[in-house]
Amino acid sequence: QKEVEQDPGPLSVPEGAIVSLNCTYSNSAFQYFMWYRQYSRKGPELLMYTYSSGNKEDGRFTAQVDKSSKYISLFIRDSQPSDSATYLCAMSVGTTGRRALTFGSGTRLQVQP
Amino acid sequence: GEEVAQTPKHLVRGEGQKAKLYCAPIKGHSYVFWYQQVLKNEFKFLISFQNENVFDETGMPKERFSAKCLPNSPCSLEIQATKLEDSAVYFCASSQPEDRDDYGYTFGSGTRLTVV
Repeated sequence: QKEVEQDPGPLSVPEGAIVSLNCTYSNSAFQYFMWYRQYSRKGPELLMYTYSSGNKEDGRFTAQVDKSSKYISLFIRDSQPSDSATYLCAMSVGTTGRRALTFGSGTRLQVQP
Repeated sequence: GEEVAQTPKHLVRGEGQKAKLYCAPIKGHSYVFWYQQVLKNEFKFLISFQNENVFDETGMPKERFSAKCLPNSPCSLEIQATKLEDSAVYFCASSQPEDRDDYGYTFGSGTRLTVV
């Protein structure tokens, strides 16, 4: 079993919909949680990062972390066709230094105009 | 600069040839990470540096892969005697020191290595 599980999709929604993307994980030592967006043949682009549990909002994006359930979410409001991409969750442990990220396998999102 | 610069964008090597990839991290970032992306979205961690020192090399195939981060030079990832299975996109990422609140990791646009 992978340390980080993510539904690969594809997830297809109409323009303007609220999108919910999720990851579950098994390693209770994970403390830093990130969401990346990756367009085809491009590098991952950092969208949100959170430390430990809680919510964080940035424009149309909201990230939630529930450490008790080992579950993280990214919500996208008023989705746009330009949001069509692969969304990757990533996380790292909270020990000394910047630790390597463990990635989910990515969810492909398609926003239909 | 404010981006992680990776060169070259594409690299084609015959099996058995050497491949060398470069990464210039964001100025002020003290950590550098190398990842290999194969099979669509699977990211495999290779190695990380804290400044010029190896920080974590648990993902590094020791036999043919090596990496360096020297002062005042781009970091490099070298693959000796490439194999077909080394074909992948190699990403570099950098991040701030751990005493900073900004703990996001910024990725470069990758080097696509094709071994033929």
